[in-house]
Amino acid sequence: DSGVTQTPKHLITATGQRVTLRCSPRSGDLSVYWYQQSLDQGLQFLIHYYNGEERAKGNILERFSAQQFPDLHSELNLSSLELGDSALYFCASSVKSRGGELFFGEGSRLTVL
Amino acid sequence: GEDVEQSLFLSVREGDSSVINCTYTDSSSTYLYWYKQEPGAGLQLLTYIFSNMDMKQDQRLTVLLNKKDKHLSLRIADTQTGDSAIYFCAESIDSSASKIIFGSGTRLSIRP
Repeated sequence: DSGVTQTPKHLITATGQRVTLRCSPRSGDLSVYWYQQSLDQGLQFLIHYYNGEERAKGNILERFSAQQFPDLHSELNLSSLELGDSALYFCASSVKSRGGELFFGEGSRLTVL
Repeated sequence: GEDVEQSLFLSVREGDSSVINCTYTDSSSTYLYWYKQEPGAGLQLLTYIFSNMDMKQDQRLTVLLNKKDKHLSLRIADTQTGDSAIYFCAESIDSSASKIIFGSGTRLSIRP
């Protein structure tokens, strides 16, 4: 158990819908990273927050947004869903603002039908 | 650019050594990582190396870093069936923003 909690574990929804994925980092970790893992794209970096502030953005679509709340949990919002958004979404936390060891959650599997 | 490349598959015989290779592009990387992903699970950190090191050994794992060629390798000695997994190389890019970029992963399979 990494100490990182992601909910929901599985989610099935239809195209055009909106979903929210939630991540609770390890106790004491201030950084939250989001990644998308799909079969043909590998593990893609989406976004990084540190202590409530956005620190880095990767290949995150405009339809996607994220935030980190004062209690340090983070949410990834995916809207106007398309079939290609079906993937495993991982959250990882770290105590550092840059680098350091990432602790991964077990992921949220999103299926868009 | 920011890119990490790995070969997709590696098959080794049980008891042999496995060597998984990775190349990266960002010369400002400070941390270089190896993560392991077992089926249905998240990624687990195996080991990492600072960019000012050449080698790091941890039990059966040896990491070699060639900064000049931007090449990282992971050697697993005496490979066991429990080592079957996907292995991801990753680099921490600190020059302009705090990103950690992963390769596509190398699927290691073990032959009896």
